[in-house]
Amino acid sequence: DQQVKQNSPSLSVQEGRISILNCDYTNSMFDYFLWYKKYPAEGPTFLISISSIKDKNEDGRFTVFLNKSAKHLSLHIVPSQPGDSAVYFCAASEGGATNKLIFGTGTLLAVQP
Amino acid sequence: DAGITQSPRHKVTETGTPVTLRCHQTENHRYMYWYRQDPGHGLRLIHYSYGVKDTDKGEVSDGYSVSRSKTEDFLLTLESATSSQTSVYFCAISPGGDSSMKTQYFGPGTRLLVL
Repeated sequence: DQQVKQNSPSLSVQEGRISILNCDYTNSMFDYFLWYKKYPAEGPTFLISISSIKDKNEDGRFTVFLNKSAKHLSLHIVPSQPGDSAVYFCAASEGGATNKLIFGTGTLLAVQP
Repeated sequence: DAGITQSPRHKVTETGTPVTLRCHQTENHRYMYWYRQDPGHGLRLIHYSYGVKDTDKGEVSDGYSVSRSKTEDFLLTLESATSSQTSVYFCAISPGGDSSMKTQYFGPGTRLLVL
């Protein structure tokens, strides 16, 4: 039973346009959400995060939106660049002392020049 | 970038042999994690540590053991490797605590092939 779901395995976007990556979760106790970016043959790198007490967090071209009532978060990349082509994972924190993260299965973003 | 190294980076082994992967950090972070990444499954937690000699199981811990005798080192052992353990293994670290302290930082990964 997957608690964090990324239902789109892949997404293709034109350079300069907006990329929207989506993530759904089932556990209402999650208190912190993160997005990671992963290039082939490298480890995931932290991109942006949001606390459950907020609904938006912005960092340059990247914005994460959280809709708690829908248990949905999204990552917006504007404008998209070819270097953004990577696999994007969303993750959620269970809270408590374990500090564990639950990851989605990832979305492969391809930004076409 | 967080100071995390993994060794070896690539390994080919045979079914039934023991394998140990090492994760080393220079950040003095309390939490350390081992994940495996497989197509269609994302990142799945194998084991984690919340302090020296303090470890616990993740969602896919069968066939794996861990040890942490020093803050900076977290070892993952496959006692008797099987082909189903062919995967890419990532170590991660985190300071732990509230909000941004929950962020985990990943190492470069170890690609393991079990023949």
